[in-house]
Amino acid sequence: DAGVTQSPTHLIKTRGQHVTLRCSPISGHKSVSWYQQVLGQGPQFIFQYYEKEERGRGNFPDRFSARQFPNYSSELNVNALLLGDSALYLCASSLDGGPGAQYFGPGTRLLVL
Amino acid sequence: QKEVEQNSGPLSVPEGAIASLNCTYSDRGSQSFFWYRQYSGKSPELIMSIYSNGDKEDGRFTAQLNKASQYVSLLIRDSQPSDSATYLCAVRNSGGSNYKLTFGKGTLLTVNP
Repeated sequence: DAGVTQSPTHLIKTRGQHVTLRCSPISGHKSVSWYQQVLGQGPQFIFQYYEKEERGRGNFPDRFSARQFPNYSSELNVNALLLGDSALYLCASSLDGGPGAQYFGPGTRLLVL
Repeated sequence: QKEVEQNSGPLSVPEGAIASLNCTYSDRGSQSFFWYRQYSGKSPELIMSIYSNGDKEDGRFTAQLNKASQYVSLLIRDSQPSDSATYLCAVRNSGGSNYKLTFGKGTLLTVNP
């Protein structure tokens, strides 16, 4: 079975631009979470979606938004990019967003110039 | 602010030795705990999950949990150079924010041949 997939793998943008990152969860998983990881830090929670509903949001500005589609895939949108948005963006898949494990995709590495 | 603390290392052990990685957490109500391995430039990979006090063994890996002390550890027996990576401790929040994982900054492990 395919694991979590994310696209694109790498992205270079300039300040002020908009970016859309995409994620497909493991087959049968209905929950997707998004994390941001900057160099030298652990992943920081951005959003979790379950059954197309937002279950939670981390301490990120409103420039960050996300949604989940009927096939459980998800996209993360970031508007008005700042240099500090440069990071590895990780999508994590879980069965139902409950107490079980989350499984990460390969990530999208975003560089903002 | 719920926190997860790890010694950032680097932790250096010779090949064949036992590597011991430690993690403390502040959320006394947490019930789910995870260890992820992250190779340089890659995404986190789940290696262990633990939910009950005591030890849980999987191959060369043993996770240990002590909820009273708010402490979780990972032992790697017969360490191999391929175990060289950053190990991330993750704790699922309790209560209303139980949808998110809080990560430590990770411990860099180097296994020397």
